[in-house]
Amino acid sequence: AQKITQTQPGMFVQEKEAVTLDCTYDTSDPSYGLFWYKQPSSGEMIFLIYQGSYDQQNATEGRYSLNFQKARKSANLVISASQLGDSAMYFCAMSRPNTGNQFYFGTGTSLTVIP
Amino acid sequence: GAGVSQTPSNKVTEKGKYVELRCDPISGHTALYWYRQSLGQGPEFLIYFQGTGAADDSGLPNDRFFAVRPEGSVSTLKIQRTERGDSAVYLCASSYGVGETQYFGPGTRLLVL
Repeated sequence: AQKITQTQPGMFVQEKEAVTLDCTYDTSDPSYGLFWYKQPSSGEMIFLIYQGSYDQQNATEGRYSLNFQKARKSANLVISASQLGDSAMYFCAMSRPNTGNQFYFGTGTSLTVIP
Repeated sequence: GAGVSQTPSNKVTEKGKYVELRCDPISGHTALYWYRQSLGQGPEFLIYFQGTGAADDSGLPNDRFFAVRPEGSVSTLKIQRTERGDSAVYLCASSYGVGETQYFGPGTRLLVL
């Protein structure tokens, strides 16, 4: 069963604009973590932002923010003021510490920033 | 500080051969993970170490795959009798502990001819 769903295979955004990348998840565990990673063409997975299931406020890290809607089981990534260097694959991931230590990844969204 | 390192960065082998992929985690991280990423997909879990022991190897596809971490630091993923379907990027990650943020290495691109 797919635990993380990313429905946007590809997205385009104009430089300096904001963009939202969608992520929905499926778990019945009360404790879980949600992560976003960036994977440039070089291949390395770069950690961007984390949201815990019990966190009351949306996580923010610089130009990245996570729009966490627990009831809808969504954890969308918002990138503000897009830059050309933001062009990459973006993966949403979930951890479920009570049932194992692996991360479950979505299929990713390819973001292209247009100058 | 130094991140997760993986060697080799690329490996080309022939069907039926044996390969070893190495991962050196971030210093102080006790948890180490191996994932496999096929083209167009997200990483898929293979195995997780806490210290020296394999705490969860449920993601290993079959008994041709084996991994060790004898001293609780460097880990080696071993693939016997490689098949063309084993071609993928093998990613290693490490973290301080359970559920903590995982930091990934650059991966090893394995191509089985």
